[in-house]
Amino acid sequence: AQRVTQPEKLLSVFKGAPVELKCNYSYSGSPELFWYVQYSRQRLQLLLRHISRESIKGFTADLNKGETSFHLKKPFAQEEDSAMYYCAPNAGGTSYGKLTFGQGTILTVHP
Amino acid sequence: GAGVSQSPSNKVTEKGKDVELRCDPISGHTALYWYRQRLGQGLEFLIYFQGNSAPDKSGLPSDRFSAERTGESVSTLTIQRTQQEDSAVYLCASSLGQGAGETQYFGPGTRLLVL
Repeated sequence: AQRVTQPEKLLSVFKGAPVELKCNYSYSGSPELFWYVQYSRQRLQLLLRHISRESIKGFTADLNKGETSFHLKKPFAQEEDSAMYYCAPNAGGTSYGKLTFGQGTILTVHP
Repeated sequence: GAGVSQSPSNKVTEKGKDVELRCDPISGHTALYWYRQRLGQGLEFLIYFQGNSAPDKSGLPSDRFSAERTGESVSTLTIQRTQQEDSAVYLCASSLGQGAGETQYFGPGTRLLVL
C-alpha cells in the first residue's frame, strides 16, 4: 500500500538552529515529491517540489531513493518558518496530481 | 488574481441531512481536486476532475458522496444523509495542467460539522 510517514508531529527549535523535517514514503513506481506548508490563518500552499530542484525560503529537500526519504532541511530556522508542514508524494503510477499527504509536522521556531 | 474559493466556509448540519460544498477554481485551471482532512489526520484524496470528467473517484468514501464539475469551472461536492464521521475540513485544489508535477493551489476549505 502507498504510504507516507512524517514521524514527528511536533518539532521545536530555536531561531538560528538547523531544522530537519523527516518524510519517508512507501510507493510503487517513482512518485513526484512535494512539500506543502500552511502558515497560521493561511491556506495550504506549495513550498517546494523535487522536480524543480529548488530552494525556497532557504529550505531544500533531498530525495534519497535508497531510503525512500524526502527530508526537508533548513540550516538556520527563522521565527516566520513556524507552520504546519506536509510531505506529499504524488501517487506513483498516476499521470496526474493525486497527492497523498503525511499527517504533518508542526514546526515552532522560538526566538 | 483571485485564488481558489470555497463556500460555505463553515457548515453545521444535523445527521441525516444532505449538504453541498462548492469550489471555484482559478480561472483556466483544467484540473480540480477534492481532499478531506478529519481531525488529527492528514489530508485524504477524494476525487480528481480533468475538465468536467472525473477519471479518478477512488477516494470517495461511500456512495453517499458525489461530485460534479460544470463548465470546466465550478465543482460541487455533495454528501447525502450525512453522518458524524463526515465531519472534517473539505479542501479543494486546482492546477493549470493535469501533470503529476503540477503545483496545486488550495482553497481555504469548508469546515463541516455534523451533529
